[in-house]
Amino acid sequence: GAVVSQHPSWVICKSGTSVKIECRSLDFQATTMFWYRQFPKQSLMLMATSNEGSKATYEQGVEKDKFLINHASLTLSTLTVTSAHPEDSSFYICSAWTGLGYGYTFGSGTRLTVV
Amino acid sequence: QQQVKQSPQSLIVQKGGISIINCAYENTAFDYFPWYQQFPGKGPALLIAIRPDVSEKKEGRFTISFNKSAKQFSLHIMDSQPGDSATYFCAASPTGTASKLTFGTGTRLQVTL
Repeated sequence: GAVVSQHPSWVICKSGTSVKIECRSLDFQATTMFWYRQFPKQSLMLMATSNEGSKATYEQGVEKDKFLINHASLTLSTLTVTSAHPEDSSFYICSAWTGLGYGYTFGSGTRLTVV
Repeated sequence: QQQVKQSPQSLIVQKGGISIINCAYENTAFDYFPWYQQFPGKGPALLIAIRPDVSEKKEGRFTISFNKSAKQFSLHIMDSQPGDSATYFCAASPTGTASKLTFGTGTRLQVTL
């Protein structure tokens, strides 16, 4: 139980285009989702916290106009990287709190490569 | 005060040995301490978690030891196997569904034959 499905697992896009990453909670309602970015051999860096039906809260230094987060339902949160550039290439991971039994569960991640 | 310090950065253990990873925190509001295992190209997966009301928790070959007064906790992997080779992250958060996890810097574990 407590599965978060993240798609796509990898995506290659051209510089200047936008890319949408989806995370769905399959068997629970995710009131709050977290979006992380991870560079090679580094830890996870929290980008933003999204609450269902309200605006996301972004961490300091994260451009909210570049990384658009939508959490329109209790089972779906999306991250859109707008006008992507090569420096946006990274591994993006979503997470949700599932309750004490399973804690925070993570999606499988999306490898974004901007060329 | 929000940091979680993790050591070592990398670890090589022989098959059958014990792998030990340590973490320390400063924020006394933290009361949930999970450990995650991450394989290359995958998201982190919860291994085991502990709350401050117990000093040790064991699940299979994985044990968390928790020292509240020292604000330290550690992961012990008994009988380490090559399949355990991965990156391990400790983390901490205060209680609450909207609480952010603070991650350690990660430990790359390699278990050799």
